[in-house]
Amino acid sequence: DAKTTQPTSMDCAEGRAANLPCNHSTISGNEYVYWYRQIHSQGPQYIIHGLKNNETNEMASLIITEDRKSSTLILPHATLRDTAVYYCIVRGSGAGSYQLTFGKGTKLSVIP
Amino acid sequence: EAGVTQSPTHLIKTRGQQATLRCSPISGHTSVYWYQQALGLGLQFLLWYDEGEERNRGNFPPRFSGRQFPNYSSELNVNALELEDSALYLCASSFVTGGDTQYFGPGTRLTVL
Repeated sequence: DAKTTQPTSMDCAEGRAANLPCNHSTISGNEYVYWYRQIHSQGPQYIIHGLKNNETNEMASLIITEDRKSSTLILPHATLRDTAVYYCIVRGSGAGSYQLTFGKGTKLSVIP
Repeated sequence: EAGVTQSPTHLIKTRGQQATLRCSPISGHTSVYWYQQALGLGLQFLLWYDEGEERNRGNFPPRFSGRQFPNYSSELNVNALELEDSALYLCASSFVTGGDTQYFGPGTRLTVL
């Protein structure tokens, strides 16, 4: 699976949009971009994933650049409960991609 | 729809004892994955079960073992506990084996004294 690069930390004002970037310049054509988050000492929570097109669900939006070398996770109206470490990972869809590997992620702090 | 559940939430054992951790996947999911997350470290893959069979295991000693039951729930056993086994143990499940989206449970915090 391709490697990802994320900023170590970010701050966001409560109620504003949080935009979390991720670089994955070595992504291959059949690899997906996944986002998870982990609130302190809890299990990681799946947020969203995508291949080429932008995706949106009830939690967030995922914007993937046309060359697929980077992406941005958008939390439209951040709340204090969104304070967490956010992990961007790239993985294939076949049975060989069973193992999730998280990097250091981005620690997002939502400020009142 | 209920998510992945794990029990117990916390477990305290002494060195040399055995620990048993349990996981119930999301209804309809047949694959279960176990991970270890030690303090300050990333996710370490432990075991993958699908349809009752062990499909793969990570770089852990044989005293880490498990099984998957006919109802797809799973159990992780850790024998001869060592201090460095203290960690958050996470279970995840997926609908399709291998590359499908994995959904995590809340974890079991194991402390070895």
